[in-house]
Amino acid sequence: AAGVIQSPRHLIKEKRETATLKCYPIPRHDTVYWYQQGPGQDPQFLISFYEKMQSDKGSIPDRFSAQQFSDYHSELNMSSLELGDSALYFCASSQRDRPTYGYTFGSGTRLTVV
Amino acid sequence: AQTVTQSQPEMSVQEAETVTLSCTYDTSESDYYLFWYKQPPSRQMILVIRQEAYKQQNATENRFSVNFQKAAKSFSLKISDSQLGDAAMYFCAYRSAGSYGKLTFGQGTILTVHP
Repeated sequence: AAGVIQSPRHLIKEKRETATLKCYPIPRHDTVYWYQQGPGQDPQFLISFYEKMQSDKGSIPDRFSAQQFSDYHSELNMSSLELGDSALYFCASSQRDRPTYGYTFGSGTRLTVV
Repeated sequence: AQTVTQSQPEMSVQEAETVTLSCTYDTSESDYYLFWYKQPPSRQMILVIRQEAYKQQNATENRFSVNFQKAAKSFSLKISDSQLGDAAMYFCAYRSAGSYGKLTFGQGTILTVHP
């Protein structure tokens, strides 16, 4: 079965640089979520999209932005990177009319800011 | 806002034994969903089991089962016949039934399985 695809798997950036993370949800999933997981921490919700519109916003810094495109893939753009942005970034997708099925997570993008 | 608490930072179990991971949550909602996710060293988030709050029957998936106590807002995970492959970080998560349902996670419990 198709899974949630995230790219790249690993990314190393310098402070003040910009990073773009991509997410390709499972076909027919209409909702995409982004989470940030710092070392030894639980995942923190950043932002979500339903049918290409932002549906909810969590603790996402103003330096970050995201969007969902017509093909339902989503991109998380991170500017003016800081050392504290180093984390594992998960994308997940789901079908809104099947909430009991939970999410399907991608394998994550490990961002290291040096 | 909903909160999820896992009071056991670490747990250990002998292979083939049974272990129970605890989770409590706080919410004012009556309809919601609860999940247990497993995160092995690969860091992949894997859904283990789910429970709808409106269902009184506890969910079961093979060796995994939950004890859902809605009034007490408790949602524990029991792993029977533990296997070495069960070693991982386990997260309890809450999802509101309404709106677009972001997940709120607990702090996680690291499970070690001893051979």
